[in-house]
Amino acid sequence: SQTIHQWPATLVQPVGSPLSLECTVEGTSNPNLYWYRQAAGRGLQLLFYSVGIGQISSEVPQNLSASRPQDRQFILSSKKLLLSDSGFYLCAWSSPRGTPDFGPGTRLTVT
Amino acid sequence: TQLLEQSPQFLSIQEGENLTVYCNSSSVFSSLQWYRQEPGEGPVLLVTVVTGGEVKKLKRLTFQFGDARKDSSLHITAAQTGDTGLYLCAGSAGANNLFFGTGTRLTVIP
Repeated sequence: SQTIHQWPATLVQPVGSPLSLECTVEGTSNPNLYWYRQAAGRGLQLLFYSVGIGQISSEVPQNLSASRPQDRQFILSSKKLLLSDSGFYLCAWSSPRGTPDFGPGTRLTVT
Repeated sequence: TQLLEQSPQFLSIQEGENLTVYCNSSSVFSSLQWYRQEPGEGPVLLVTVVTGGEVKKLKRLTFQFGDARKDSSLHITAAQTGDTGLYLCAGSAGANNLFFGTGTRLTVIP
């Protein structure tokens, strides 16, 4: 069966500091990978998705970036965090035509 | 951007009562998903509906997809405290394109 991991679970970072969130998937190959952000118990906003190594599509212009250095690894980064970057970040995977299955999430607080 | 509006936004009911949550859009979706999310965790998929007019039952939960594939409802019979959570609908308009609703936060009071 497939398993998706995210770390860290929680993170508190000062404004202007860099960010790196990591997501890995086990038990599947060539998954579609996604980064979503959720604000305060509301709906999810798609930030990035990837259909393969090195292939990243951005849905929302912002100071975040994503990379996929390996087939089952997806990284969300920022060079300088803003207060507005605070939120709950969720990684998800799916088969090419499947429905996203979500990881446990990372709670980011920018102070 | 395709918007999915959910209603009500918040719902608080007594254990044993019935409830219905709605998900509406002006856009047509190829499929629609319902998720439940606990605080501090990722959403968990409950069901996917793909055919207009489709009804799916999952124990005490009944999901319906509108005939025009623009809206959906979730009905819970005899709510239990374990049903408490954030319910999210999400519409698919194609590959890699899933639009999430605004969410309904349900609290079931014992």
